[in-house]
Amino acid sequence: DGGITQSPKYLFRKEGQNVTLSCEQNLNHDAMYWYRQDPGQGLRLIYYSQIVNDFQKGDIAEGYSVSREKKESFPLTVTSAQKNPTAFYLCASSRSPSGNEQFFGPGTRLTVL
Amino acid sequence: RKEVEQDPGPFNVPEGATVAFNCTYSNSASQSFFWYRQDCRKEPKLLMSVYSSGNEDGRFTAQLNRASQYISLLIRDSKLSDSATYLCVVNRVNDWTGANNLFFGTGTRLTVIP
Repeated sequence: DGGITQSPKYLFRKEGQNVTLSCEQNLNHDAMYWYRQDPGQGLRLIYYSQIVNDFQKGDIAEGYSVSREKKESFPLTVTSAQKNPTAFYLCASSRSPSGNEQFFGPGTRLTVL
Repeated sequence: RKEVEQDPGPFNVPEGATVAFNCTYSNSASQSFFWYRQDCRKEPKLLMSVYSSGNEDGRFTAQLNRASQYISLLIRDSKLSDSATYLCVVNRVNDWTGANNLFFGTGTRLTVIP
């Protein structure tokens, strides 16, 4: 079945540690995105990538880093510089950078203790 | 001003009721409009796109008023399974990158009561 996978579903880390969230898609989509969702707020864009080896900052990129070495993979690293990392992180993809519909993975719930 | 604003909810309605959600967007350059559904602790999933002419999918009807920058979603004959959070989503193409940027409302929570 085609789709987007994120792992792990739940992740706990100590304050000050970097952590990398996985996102993989087998839809052959060109564009991939990372969002975070906090209670009472809409999804906010962290980073996006239109094509392999290229990515752009979204609205809240500070404290995060990404890579896009393969078309199907777009990992997100939450660094110790991110002041409020506890959140629900959602990865999405779309067929092309200008494609309207984005498909979401199941999300990773990160809790920093 | 937020890019997308929605009714805060929550909406608690009995089975069989008709319920309407409203949404406004601030940027007139917005090009595409959607309603997504998000179940508790799950990812958002596309419910339907919204067209200027209005569109219907079974019990769901979406309307767009570009002049007023207003979007609505009507659910008729509510089912227990309709209980979820409904996200209003607006798309603009980034002039610099050509990328599709989505802007999400905070969502309106619906609970359908037996």
